[in-house]
Amino acid sequence: DTAVSQTPKYLVTQMGNDKSIKCEQNLGHDTMYWYKQDSKKFLKIMFSYNNKELIINETVPNRFSPKSPDKAHLNLHINSLELGDSAVYFCASSQGDFYEQYFGPGTRLTVT
Amino acid sequence: DAKTTQPPSMDCAEGRAANLPCNHSTISGNEYVYWYRQIHSQGPQYIIHGLKNNETNEMASLIITEDRKSSTLILPHATLRDTAVYYCISRKTSYDKVIFGPGTSLSVIP
Repeated sequence: DTAVSQTPKYLVTQMGNDKSIKCEQNLGHDTMYWYKQDSKKFLKIMFSYNNKELIINETVPNRFSPKSPDKAHLNLHINSLELGDSAVYFCASSQGDFYEQYFGPGTRLTVT
Repeated sequence: DAKTTQPPSMDCAEGRAANLPCNHSTISGNEYVYWYRQIHSQGPQYIIHGLKNNETNEMASLIITEDRKSSTLILPHATLRDTAVYYCISRKTSYDKVIFGPGTSLSVIP
């Protein structure tokens, strides 16, 4: 069974469009994260939710809006996509303040 | 969070121990050292973490110097599947804002 899953794996879209990436974890964790990995391979945290409550909100454009319908899901919605949004987006989860984070397989977003 | 520095790349012969160094000279007393790795095109994978004492698990060993300014990740018998980018990071809690990268690209050579 996949611990942290993301859909879609690849997403190609045009500038100005709105898109969503879904994330689900079946580990029973109460904390979920979104990370962005840029072309230089730096992996930066964007958001973190604990028990559906936002606890980390890094300096990202407000075009990015995470939504956590329940503890097992954290979706990322992106409005008005820009070329600079092209990257690989990773979802992760952990149990509370536990140090081990489990990452999903990533979603490669390409904006043309 | 303390900044960490790692060599950009290393090679290791298959079956030999891979020793990956990390400097974290500004680490504070309550910051842990974590190691993750990222195999090409996959999500990062947790390896090990420690605070002051040396740690060992089924994947690796972590040796932290007494002054905590540096550490070494040891893969005792490297295999081809250990070829990956290895990230050393320091953080107080899993909620801390942190950046992974650029890490050490380890190539295990047959």
